[in-house]
Amino acid sequence: GDSVTQMEGPVTLSEEAFLTINCTYTATGYPSLFWYVQYPGEGLQLLLKATKADDKGSNKGFEATYRKETTSFHLEKGSVQVSDSAVYFCALLRETSGSRLTFGEGTQLTVNP
Amino acid sequence: DAGVTQSPTHLIKTRGQHVTLRCSPISGHKSVSWYQQVLGQGPQFIFQYYEKEERGRGNFPDRFSARQFPNYSSELNVNALLLGDSALYLCASSPQYGGGAFYNEQFFGPGTRLTVL
Repeated sequence: GDSVTQMEGPVTLSEEAFLTINCTYTATGYPSLFWYVQYPGEGLQLLLKATKADDKGSNKGFEATYRKETTSFHLEKGSVQVSDSAVYFCALLRETSGSRLTFGEGTQLTVNP
Repeated sequence: DAGVTQSPTHLIKTRGQHVTLRCSPISGHKSVSWYQQVLGQGPQFIFQYYEKEERGRGNFPDRFSARQFPNYSSELNVNALLLGDSALYLCASSPQYGGGAFYNEQFFGPGTRLTVL
């Protein structure tokens, strides 16, 4: 079945540091890939997405590139801020599965001033 | 425009009881999905409904059921609650069913925090 694996967390960085959160997936066909963010006490917000190989999703300084050859979708940001502290989830959607998202276990990011 | 709304925000129940959670999708969205998020884990898919019909079911026991109403709102019901049902229950709406990410971007509500004692 489909699965998403994220790097083990939590991750603690200082403000302005470079961020990478690794995500790899297993799925048949050509899934779409997503990064969601969850702030404390809130639901999930879509951060960025990519729908085909070599697509780069970007939003709010975050980027991720869909790498089919390595089945990866790593999240990066060049300079993190305290306000980026949240839990980040990688997810996939297969076109044949309707709206069923498969999520990774999440990575807690804490950014210290 | 209002986003996805869920009620109640928090709920405390005891083992063996029944619970009903409610979700109102974004206006114009016809598909509603339910997810369970246990503390420290990623959301797990429970159900998807589109045009009042069940279109997908995750690996959850029959104690979990759901329905969608003519106005596209939805209820999730859980019977005979267990301690392990304690979780954040998330509802997501999307414009339609199928068609990949372009047509199926999921918009999540704030969730209902269920605690089973």
